[in-house]
Amino acid sequence: DSGVTQTPKHLITATGQRVTLRCSPRSGDLSVYWYQQSLDQGLQFLIQYYNGEERAKGNILERFSAQQFPDLHSELNLSSLELGDSALYFCASSVASTGVGEQYFGPGTRLTVT
Amino acid sequence: EDKVVQSPLSLVVHEGDTVTLNCSYEVTNFRSLLWYKQEKKAPTFLFMLTSSGIEKKSGRLSSILDKKELFSILNITATQTGDSAVYLCAPPSGGSNYKLTFGKGTLLTVNP
Repeated sequence: DSGVTQTPKHLITATGQRVTLRCSPRSGDLSVYWYQQSLDQGLQFLIQYYNGEERAKGNILERFSAQQFPDLHSELNLSSLELGDSALYFCASSVASTGVGEQYFGPGTRLTVT
Repeated sequence: EDKVVQSPLSLVVHEGDTVTLNCSYEVTNFRSLLWYKQEKKAPTFLFMLTSSGIEKKSGRLSSILDKKELFSILNITATQTGDSAVYLCAPPSGGSNYKLTFGKGTLLTVNP
């Protein structure tokens, strides 16, 4: 158990809908990272927040957005969902602000868009 | 463009065998390389390597980095069925703020 929690574990929704994934980092970690893992693309970095501020951005679609709250939990919002958004979404956390050190992954949220 | 290539893509061995997994990389502003093990769900952290030629060990697993030739290897000795997993390497890349760039992984299957 990494200490990173994610809810929900599974989510099934229809195309065009909007969902929110939630992540709580390990105690003491200020950075939160979001990743998408699909069979064809592998594990892809989406976005990083550090202490409430956006720090780094990967190939995150404009339909996706994230934020980190004062209590350090983070939410990833996915809107206008398409079939291709079906994937495992992981949150990770770390002490470091730079993204260089080890990151600890949560159990993931499996999103299925029908 | 950052590139991380792992080989082989998959490997099937018998318990007790020794395996070597490879990771070659070309990333911007290299600082370190991380190895993860992914079983059914979340990747779990194995090693972080920052210096060339210094082996890191944890039980039957060890890893080493070659910054001149831009690759890293992960060795697993006396493999067990519990070692069956996807092994991912990920060097952070970028500038002042880095992002992990993951390889596609090596799927290791250890048969009894």
